[in-house]
Formats: sequence, C-alpha cells, structure tokens
Amino acid sequence: GDSVTQMEGPVTLSEEAFLTINCTYTATGYPSLFWYVQYPGEGLQLLLKATKADDKGSNKGFEATYRKETTSFHLEKGSVQVSDSAVYFCALRSNFGNEKLTFGTGTRLTIIP
Amino acid sequence: DAGVTQSPTHLIKTRGQQVTLRCSPKSGHDTVSWYQQALGQGPQFIFQYYEEEERQRGNFPDRFSGHQFPNYSSELNVNALLLGDSALYLCASNLARERSATNEKLFFGSGTQLSVL
Repeated sequence: GDSVTQMEGPVTLSEEAFLTINCTYTATGYPSLFWYVQYPGEGLQLLLKATKADDKGSNKGFEATYRKETTSFHLEKGSVQVSDSAVYFCALRSNFGNEKLTFGTGTRLTIIP
Repeated sequence: DAGVTQSPTHLIKTRGQQVTLRCSPKSGHDTVSWYQQALGQGPQFIFQYYEEEERQRGNFPDRFSGHQFPNYSSELNVNALLLGDSALYLCASNLARERSATNEKLFFGSGTQLSVL
C-alpha cells in the first residue's frame, strides 16, 4: 500500500540556516505529492504540491522537487525564520480514483533566533 | 469567508460512550473528509463524503460512521469508545469539480481534540 517515510525530528535550527526535511514515498503509479504545515493550535495548511515527475512546488521560500527515480520529495528552504517553526507533514495521493491523503509522521521544526 | 469550522474544540468521554463531532465545510465546498491524528503521528484518513454518501473509507472499524447533510456539513460518530480513540479529529473540505485540477486545494479545520478516559 501507499506509505510516506519522513525525516524524524525534532529539528532545531538557527535563524537564517538552510533547511532540508527528507521525504520518501512508496506508491503505485504516479501519485501527487504534498507538503502540509501545522502551526500550533491551527489546522493543516497546504504549503506546496507537485503532481508529476520533475515538477517543483514552491511557496513562501520553500521548495520541493518530485523525484520519481528516487521516490523522494524533500522540502528545502534557503534561510529559515522564527515564524517557520511548526510541524511539517509530507503526504501523497494516489491518482487511481483515490481520494485519501497518506501522511508521514511529521517533523517538528523549531527555529531559534 | 469562514474556513472549515469544527465543533466542539475539545471533548472528554469515557470508555464505551458514543461521541458525535461536527464539521462545516468552507463556503462553496461540497466534499468533506475526516482524518484521525494520534499524538505524534500524521493524520490517517477515516472517510470522505460527497453528495451525502460515503465515497471512500480508510482502514477504520464500523464503530466509526458519518453523515453528510444537504448543506454539505458533516458529522463523525464513534460508538463504543476505546482509549485508543483519543486523538485530534480533523475535517477537511474541497470542491469535487476541482479534484485533480492544478488549483485544487484541501482546507483543514483546527480539529476536535477527543480524550477518552
């Protein structure tokens, strides 16, 4: 079945550091891939997505590239801010009439000033 | 424009009881999905409702049931509560005709925190 393996946290970085959160997946066919962010006390928010191989999703300085050959969708940001502190979830959705999102376990990111 | 709203925000029940959680989708959305998020885990898909019918179901027992009303709002019911049902229950909504479109976006509510004692 579908699964997402996500870099375990927590991750603590200094402001302006480079961020990478690793995500690999197992799925049949060619799934759509997502990164969601959950700020304290809030619901999940879509951060970015990619729907086919070699697509790059980007938003708010974050980027992730759909790598079919390595079944990966790593999240990167060149210079993190304190406001980026949150829990980040990698997720996929199979494209065979499947409605559900399959999530990774989440990575808690803390940015210190 | 209100987003996805869920009620109540917190709930405490005892084992064996039944619970009903409520969700109002974002204005204009017609599809509602429910997820269970245990502490320290990612959300897990329970089921999705569209046109007042269950469209797809995840790997959850029949104790979990749902309903969608003509105004697209939805309820999640859990019977015979177990300690392991303690979790954050998330509702998400979207517009069915945007499914798979490049601008498709799923909106999540803030969730209902259920504690089973």
